[in-house]
Amino acid sequence: SQQGEEDPQALSIQEGENATMNCSYKTSINNLQWYRQNSGRGLVHLILIRSNEREKHSGRLRVTLDTSKKSSSLLITASRAADTASYFCATDHFSGNTPLVFGKGTRLSVIA
Amino acid sequence: SAVISQKPSRDICQRGTSLTIQCQVDSQVTMMFWYRQQPGQSLTLIATANQGSEATYESGFVIDKFPISRPNLTFSTLTVSNLSPEDSSIYLCSVGTASSGTEAFFGQGTRLTVV
Repeated sequence: SQQGEEDPQALSIQEGENATMNCSYKTSINNLQWYRQNSGRGLVHLILIRSNEREKHSGRLRVTLDTSKKSSSLLITASRAADTASYFCATDHFSGNTPLVFGKGTRLSVIA
Repeated sequence: SAVISQKPSRDICQRGTSLTIQCQVDSQVTMMFWYRQQPGQSLTLIATANQGSEATYESGFVIDKFPISRPNLTFSTLTVSNLSPEDSSIYLCSVGTASSGTEAFFGQGTRLTVV
């Protein structure tokens, strides 16, 4: 069952601006992951942050995790039209070989 | 890492018929997961498929409607039976890895439209 809540549900920005998406969850986690989905196709893994980490960077992506608030944020800097997609957070509650629990997602539109 | 080949990528089916979706993984994995993504929604887990045993279904999903096969460690099928328009969704298979706390890998999804 879903436990993640993401906001905003939809976000529209101009190319070059930063996009911030937030995710909250309800129960304790092993790690939290962010995925991207283009046009309803398969999901692509973006970044994973473990429960003992607070911040992680990968290229133009920055993820934070606040386990006390049970929340995470994904920041995409200097957005591009190609970043237009749906972004999902997913929580992993146990170690390995367990299904992820997905948030509702944020639909990002980057306007050129 | 794992590469998953999922097919068909899309299909249009008549109500009352069935569609079988296949996922082939390029490595042996213990568990495979099947998700449904209804239009404009997030992913909902249907079931976990373990090789050599019956699949474990999530609340709201039953074996008669979503039979799953897992004949070996690299392959699984999901059948969506007795189709109705409400079954129109994207169906995705996924695998994790044996290591703790690593990313999941997804097939490209099957977009099903029931008419």
